[in-house]
Amino acid sequence: GQNIDQPTEMTATEGAIVQINCTYQTSGFNGLFWYQQHAGEAPTFLSYNVLDGLEEKGRFSSFLSRSKGYSYLLLKELQMKDSASYLCAYMDSNYQLIWGAGTKLIIKP
Amino acid sequence: ETGVTQTPRHLVMGMTNKKSLKCEQHLGHNAMYWYKQSAKKPLELMFVYNFKEQTENNSVPSRFSPECPNSSHLFLHLHTLQPEDSALYLCASSEGTPDSGANVLTFGAGSRLTVL
Repeated sequence: GQNIDQPTEMTATEGAIVQINCTYQTSGFNGLFWYQQHAGEAPTFLSYNVLDGLEEKGRFSSFLSRSKGYSYLLLKELQMKDSASYLCAYMDSNYQLIWGAGTKLIIKP
Repeated sequence: ETGVTQTPRHLVMGMTNKKSLKCEQHLGHNAMYWYKQSAKKPLELMFVYNFKEQTENNSVPSRFSPECPNSSHLFLHLHTLQPEDSALYLCASSEGTPDSGANVLTFGAGSRLTVL
């Protein structure tokens, strides 16, 4: 079967660090994506991991462990503009994207 | 500007109306997608077009009818919808084909549909 899970909502403080987790179960895997979606706007691509390890892009990093079915998105030096929903999706063996329900991140001053 | 433009941004329609959603991309992408986004639910893939040919129809009710006249334009025709069809309809495009690994989607901002 196909299953993916991420927290519904998280709150963090401006300037801090937050880690958004995503777990999945699948028999076939072709990579994991993170997208950011501000309210009322288009989802935008953040990262793609297909091999184990950490990928860093400025303040954002994404980690993957294929053996554990686990990924996280790490946001450093949080800014108010980082308040958004973060969507996790893995690509299964048929190259279908399986999406999580998204994590709404609230940044407080 | 995301490169993918959707119109209208908001649409209210009765259950007996016929309306259409439009999506346009000038990114030179060859694949286009329709997704449904409901509150607190995962994105649901509805239709995929690859080089203007429909390659995916995820058991979508016939009251939703897609049309892809060329690789830059995608329509979603709506007819006799139900209140539960109220949602945000997102269009996306990709440079790669849907069956490629690192296939990054470029989304439009969506059309917010309310069915009364």
